[in-house]
Amino acid sequence: NAGVMQNPRHLVRRRGQEARLRCSPMKGHSHVYWYRQLPEEGLKFMVYLQKENIIDESGMPKERFSAEFPKEGPSILRIQQVVRGDSAAYFCASNRALVGGTDTQYFGPGTRLTVL
Amino acid sequence: AQSVAQPEDQVNVAEGNPLTVKCTYSVSGNPYLFWYVQYPNRGLQFLLKYITGDNLVKGSYGFEAEFNKSQTSFHLKKPSALVSDSALYFCAVRDLTGTASKLTFGTGTRLQVTL
Repeated sequence: NAGVMQNPRHLVRRRGQEARLRCSPMKGHSHVYWYRQLPEEGLKFMVYLQKENIIDESGMPKERFSAEFPKEGPSILRIQQVVRGDSAAYFCASNRALVGGTDTQYFGPGTRLTVL
Repeated sequence: AQSVAQPEDQVNVAEGNPLTVKCTYSVSGNPYLFWYVQYPNRGLQFLLKYITGDNLVKGSYGFEAEFNKSQTSFHLKKPSALVSDSALYFCAVRDLTGTASKLTFGTGTRLQVTL
């Protein structure tokens, strides 16, 4: 059973460009989470999605950032007009839909975004 | 709001000695607690979790953690450390308020095991 897949693993963008990060959850998982890890810091929650629905986007910056999880295909985290402060590792996690929220989130290898 | 504190930025231990990585938490309801490990330039790997039941939880690679409700702690332990255990360890708590089930992470503790 393949784990959470993320691509690309490394992404370099110049200021003002767009970055698109992709995440394919584990087979059988219908919940996807995006987290951001700044250098030398812990992970910070960004957004929680189910198929075709954003459940919680309380951690998303108000501008330039968006996320989707379409009926078919991977989840996409999109950053428009990137700035140097967006440089970070972006991790996707997924889990099943268990009652009570006790299921474990499994993480992908991350996408390391560098903004020049 | 929930939070997690990992009071030590780094823990140093000699191989073969026991190790402890500390974690304390704050939640309004029942805590769902997790430990993850991160190796350089890699994602997070799940080690163990506490949901309910026995306060001593056993996980992967010989790690275990003890849930202490009165001290609001969930310290990670291993009886005999290995050099290969050297990595960054994160404690996390599950937030179940409203419709969210996100994880709130501590800042991480770097474990260095030396020969």
